[in-house]
Amino acid sequence: ETGVTQSPTHLIKTRGQQVTLRCSSQSGHNTVSWYQQALGQGPQFIFQYYREEENGRGNFPPRFSGLQFPNYSSELNVNALELDDSALYLCASFDAGSLGEQFFGPGTRLTVL
Amino acid sequence: QKEVEQDPGPLSVPEGAIVSLNCTYSNSAFQYFMWYRQYSRKGPELLMYTYSSGNKEDGRFTAQVDKSSKYISLFIRDSQPSDSATYLCAMHTGGFKTIFGAGTRLFVKA
Repeated sequence: ETGVTQSPTHLIKTRGQQVTLRCSSQSGHNTVSWYQQALGQGPQFIFQYYREEENGRGNFPPRFSGLQFPNYSSELNVNALELDDSALYLCASFDAGSLGEQFFGPGTRLTVL
Repeated sequence: QKEVEQDPGPLSVPEGAIVSLNCTYSNSAFQYFMWYRQYSRKGPELLMYTYSSGNKEDGRFTAQVDKSSKYISLFIRDSQPSDSATYLCAMHTGGFKTIFGAGTRLFVKA
């Protein structure tokens, strides 16, 4: 059984650019959540996907968007990057029937210059 | 006021000490409570997960939830230098949005 994987590990972009981050969920998990973690802070919920549909969103603007694919892998897209978007982006997968047990990937560290 | 409050520390203890980590929260609808450990520049690792009130023990770790006081705790017995990390509490209502505390940085000195 493989765990949650994310790619790339690190990414450097300039302000105004667009970025796509990828996440492969753990085997058997049908739900993926994305989080933004600024330095020294806890993760902040961006949105969640269940069976290819977004079923919840945090306080993030529409330039943060996502997709979930039939194999339950997922993408996070961020348009018009801002300096404050620099953070560790985490995805977590779980089975919808086991609400407490989210398993996180190692994260993608995004730096916006 | 934040929904979940957690003292950021840092907390420094000698090896072998009992560590107590705590969070308070304001939303009485929270039902699921988790503790994560996060090493520097890594993703959070799930340590403990409890539903509603009560205690749960797993090896050196004990999680307590007191819903009447809106207070959760994680105890680490016989702390080791390898326990040095940031500990995050997290909780949700059973819906889609998990709320995290800011994390407490723990240092265990050999």
